[in-house]
Amino acid sequence: DGGITQSPKYLFRKEGQNVTLSCEQNLNHDAMYWYRQDPGQGLRLIYYSQIVNDFQKGDIAEGYSVSREKKESFPLTVTSAQKNPTAFYLCASSRSGRVYNEQFFGPGTRLTVL
Amino acid sequence: ELKVEQNPLFLSMQEGKNYTIYCNYSTTSDRLYWYRQDPGKSLESLFVLLSNGAVKQEGRLMASLDTKARLSTLHITAAVHDLSATYFCAVDNNNDMRFGAGTRLTVKP
Repeated sequence: DGGITQSPKYLFRKEGQNVTLSCEQNLNHDAMYWYRQDPGQGLRLIYYSQIVNDFQKGDIAEGYSVSREKKESFPLTVTSAQKNPTAFYLCASSRSGRVYNEQFFGPGTRLTVL
Repeated sequence: ELKVEQNPLFLSMQEGKNYTIYCNYSTTSDRLYWYRQDPGKSLESLFVLLSNGAVKQEGRLMASLDTKARLSTLHITAAVHDLSATYFCAVDNNNDMRFGAGTRLTVKP
């Protein structure tokens, strides 16, 4: 079945640690995205990538880093510079291009800082 | 900058009643999406609206798009408890996708 997978589902981090969240898709989508969602809030864009080896900052990129070495994979690293990382992180992908940009979401990773 | 506003943000309604959720956006776009999110879960795509006057229906939900008014509506007919969730609209403007803050819907018996 085609889809987007994220791992782990739950992640606990000590202050000062970097952690990496995995996102993989087998939909053959060109574009991938990372969003952060805080309790009771909407989605805020962290980073997005329209093509392999290229990515752009979203609205809240500070304290995060990404890579896009393969079309299928778009891992997100939450660095120690991110002062308040506890949140629900959602990865999405889309076909990109100029037709339309419906995004399909993974199941999410809930990150908690201890 | 593209801005998207949803209202209401919270909606409590009784089963069997009708209601409408509104999504306004600030710049020209003809691509709008509606998503549903259950508590603690991811977002599920409901509707894709790609032109002025587009109307799509699925069960008790109907979505429409008026690009001239920069407005989309999500109409709920004869609500049932299973529709309780948070509903997000998202507007696509040349690959700048913005989500509304979401409408948390609670349907009570």
